[in-house]
Amino acid sequence: AQTVTQSQPEMSVQEAETVTLSCTYDTSESNYYLFWYKQPPSRQMILVIRQEAYKQQNATENRFSVNFQKAAKSFSLKISDSQLGDTAMYFCAFMKPTQGGSEKLVFGKGTKLTVNP
Amino acid sequence: EPEVTQTPSHQVTQMGQEVILRCVPISNHLYFYWYRQILGQKVEFLVSFYNNEISEKSEIFDDQFSVERPDGSNFTLKIRSTKLEDSAMYFCASSERRWGGELFFGEGSRLTVL
Repeated sequence: AQTVTQSQPEMSVQEAETVTLSCTYDTSESNYYLFWYKQPPSRQMILVIRQEAYKQQNATENRFSVNFQKAAKSFSLKISDSQLGDTAMYFCAFMKPTQGGSEKLVFGKGTKLTVNP
Repeated sequence: EPEVTQTPSHQVTQMGQEVILRCVPISNHLYFYWYRQILGQKVEFLVSFYNNEISEKSEIFDDQFSVERPDGSNFTLKIRSTKLEDSAMYFCASSERRWGGELFFGEGSRLTVL
């Protein structure tokens, strides 16, 4: 079974600084997707960034980028120029292909990020 | 911007009672999901639904649980006889495509079983 581990339950960063959230996963699959979802307080989870395992180039979305190390099964999220609105719970998630079904997400426990003014 | 809506936001019920959680997915989406998060634990997959039938379900999703899409817009999760351990936040999600697709989540329904 696939597992996703986020080893940092809580982190904080000063506004405008850079922070990296770590995520490791365990799988025997060769192709899969990895995601970072963000859940602001009392709001729904929204997608931050996704990476397909076959793509070697690390995904970027504006201030958000990932460091995908397939051999090490590591998928960290870097947030540059942190903003107060980045304060949220961040979930790392894994998706593998299934036969005939709708692919499901396997989540880590989350990292609570606080951006301080 | 279209979004997934869930009702109720919070429901308190007595053990053994039936509960129905409702979701309105994004209108052009084809894949629907329920996840749950027990306090302090991971978000867990419950069930996926496509083309009016269950695609996959987890071992959590036993005979006490059912889902349906009764009218082409709502997507409901029913728990027939609630147990204390069903207390959790239940998230509905929908997506436009299957493989690698972005899941759009609702804000969740908090279920408290007394």
